Amino acid sequence: SYELTQPPSVSVSPGQTARITCSGDALPKKYAYWYQQKSGQAPVLVIYEDIKRPSGIPQRFSGSSSGTVATLTISGAQVEDEGDYYCYSTVSGANERGVFGGGTRLTVL
Amino acid sequence: QMHLVQSGGGKVQPGRSLRLSCAASGFAFRTYGMHWVRQAPGKGLEWVAVIWDDGSKKYYADSVRGRFTISRDNSKNTLYLQMTTLRVEDTAVYYCTSAAVGDKNYWGQGALVTVSS
Repeated sequence: SYELTQPPSVSVSPGQTARITCSGDALPKKYAYWYQQKSGQAPVLVIYEDIKRPSGIPQRFSGSSSGTVATLTISGAQVEDEGDYYCYSTVSGANERGVFGGGTRLTVL
Repeated sequence: QMHLVQSGGGKVQPGRSLRLSCAASGFAFRTYGMHWVRQAPGKGLEWVAVIWDDGSKKYYADSVRGRFTISRDNSKNTLYLQMTTLRVEDTAVYYCTSAAVGDKNYWGQGALVTVSS
């Protein structure tokens, strides 16, 4: 079955740039979405359609995609950015479905 | 204010059924595809099911196909997930969420479903 692969953890110091990757064979044809989830809360969309940032999301969050890899970049990460990040995409076919990456725990300290 | 308010979670024995509801307000519910997503304790997000805005198409994860049914009532702005033949491994927080339309994406508060004898 189709999978999206993320690193389990990323750690940076405050003010540094954090990059979280998401690998999937269908990403050249399908958009990637990125969600931030803090403990005990529902996920929040931080990047949609590979590169777009929803209103209200800080400018330090950006997305890119090249080939089979989508990347979430947090430029100048803040302590409040700590949490779990998930990429999401879709699979077309007879059984269209969504798929999440395994998630990446971002630590900023 | 856009809201998705969930109800129907709880503890149930293996093999039994449960229905989750998700009531929408503050946005044009009938124009959005809707999903169910779950998260087992300490685990990542798992996509469960999707229903088209008009209810014409429904798709499921392999892990729930044949046991779960997604449905909606656009006259009541409500999404449902009927879960049957529940298994211990279905234990999770279940979220309803809208499809991301542009930068608009709404999530419910989550409902805990515990399957245990």
